[in-house]
Amino acid sequence: KQEVTQIPAALSVPEGENLVLNCSFTDSAIYNLQWFRQDPGKGLTSLLLIQSSQREQTSGRLNASLDKSSGRSTLYIAASQPGDSATYLCAFINTGTASKLTFGTGTRLQVTL
Amino acid sequence: DTGVSQDPRHKITKRGQNVTFRCDPISEHNRLYWYRQTLGQGPEFLTYFQNEAQLEKSRLLSDRFSAERPKGSFSTLEIQRTEQGDSAMYLCASSFPPDRNHNEQFFGPGTRLTVL
Repeated sequence: KQEVTQIPAALSVPEGENLVLNCSFTDSAIYNLQWFRQDPGKGLTSLLLIQSSQREQTSGRLNASLDKSSGRSTLYIAASQPGDSATYLCAFINTGTASKLTFGTGTRLQVTL
Repeated sequence: DTGVSQDPRHKITKRGQNVTFRCDPISEHNRLYWYRQTLGQGPEFLTYFQNEAQLEKSRLLSDRFSAERPKGSFSTLEIQRTEQGDSAMYLCASSFPPDRNHNEQFFGPGTRLTVL
């Protein structure tokens, strides 16, 4: 059974700082990985998707990597802004199912002025 | 707005009542998913459809829960005899099948259920 852990659970950084959010998983049979953003009381916004055959994806100030051998994914946010404050969730689809997402518990990020 | 929509956005009900939620997926997507999220946790999978067919159900989906997608477009999730433990955010997502767009899932705004 896939277990997904996100560390840290919460993070506060000053505006402008670069930061890395971590996600670890136990089953390397990954079909794809998605990183999401969730604002309080809202739904999820898809940020990046990495296919099993890829090692990283970039979108603007965001870069996500996937290392199946070590069971890790990271989300790098460059030049953080107060508008980046949200909860960030990683989620995986396993190769066997190619359907449902298994989520971590998220990292709550606050970017201060 | 061409994204996933959910209705209602908020629902407050008394224990023992039945509730029904609706999800309208992105129109070109033939897969539709339901997830449940409790405070401080990541979403948990409940069930999913490909077109009209319900292909998988989680053990979290007790017999009080039923989901339908009768015409392969919108879906409903009904909870009968609600319990306080059903209080959660119910999220709907949609996607193409895996051979197209790698099953990237797009989520709606959710329905927040509070059972008193």
